[in-house]
Amino acid sequence: DTAVSQTPKYLVTQMGNDKSIKCEQNLGHDTMYWYKQDSKKFLKIMFSYNNKELIINETVPNRFSPKSPDKAHLNLHINSLELGDSAVYFCASSQVGTGLNEQYFGPGTRLTVT
Amino acid sequence: AQKITQTQPGMFVQEKEAVTLDCTYDTSDPSYGLFWYKQPSSGEMIFLIYQGSYDQQNATEGRYSLNFQKARKSANLVISASQLGDSAMYFCAMGKYSSYGKLTFGQGTILTVHP
Repeated sequence: DTAVSQTPKYLVTQMGNDKSIKCEQNLGHDTMYWYKQDSKKFLKIMFSYNNKELIINETVPNRFSPKSPDKAHLNLHINSLELGDSAVYFCASSQVGTGLNEQYFGPGTRLTVT
Repeated sequence: AQKITQTQPGMFVQEKEAVTLDCTYDTSDPSYGLFWYKQPSSGEMIFLIYQGSYDQQNATEGRYSLNFQKARKSANLVISASQLGDSAMYFCAMGKYSSYGKLTFGQGTILTVHP
């Protein structure tokens, strides 16, 4: 069973389009995250939800809007895509309620904006 | 603000030898944890090992051990008996107990294992 899954794995789209990435975890974790990995492989947190509540919102453009319908799902919607949005987006989850624990990552979504 | 530094962009090691990947960190918070992740060329992020700031002993997980030197603010990863499958990018990351698990990552080190 896949612990953290993301769809789609690859996304190729044109500038100006709107796209969504979906994430699901079956680990029963209380916290989910979105990270962006740029072309230099640098990983940076974008958002975090704890029990469906937004708790971390780094300086990310308003075009990015996360949504957590329930504890097991965290989606990322991106409006008006720009060339600079091309990156790999990782979803992750962890159990924060019991302390600082490792995060389990999804396989990543490679977004290419042309 | 917390900061993680990995000063080795690339490292080479012979198969079956041990290798140390460096990681230094900076934080004023006394309660934190350090993580190492492996990212093979296939792209997934694999958790390797964790060290809490209050842990008295260095963490070990199979062939991975973490050389934690709190006073020097370093958390180096030691891989013993390297295997070809260890070739990958390795990331050091830090989280604080107070920050809902938010991780700050270093720049990564590419490890290449030679046969």
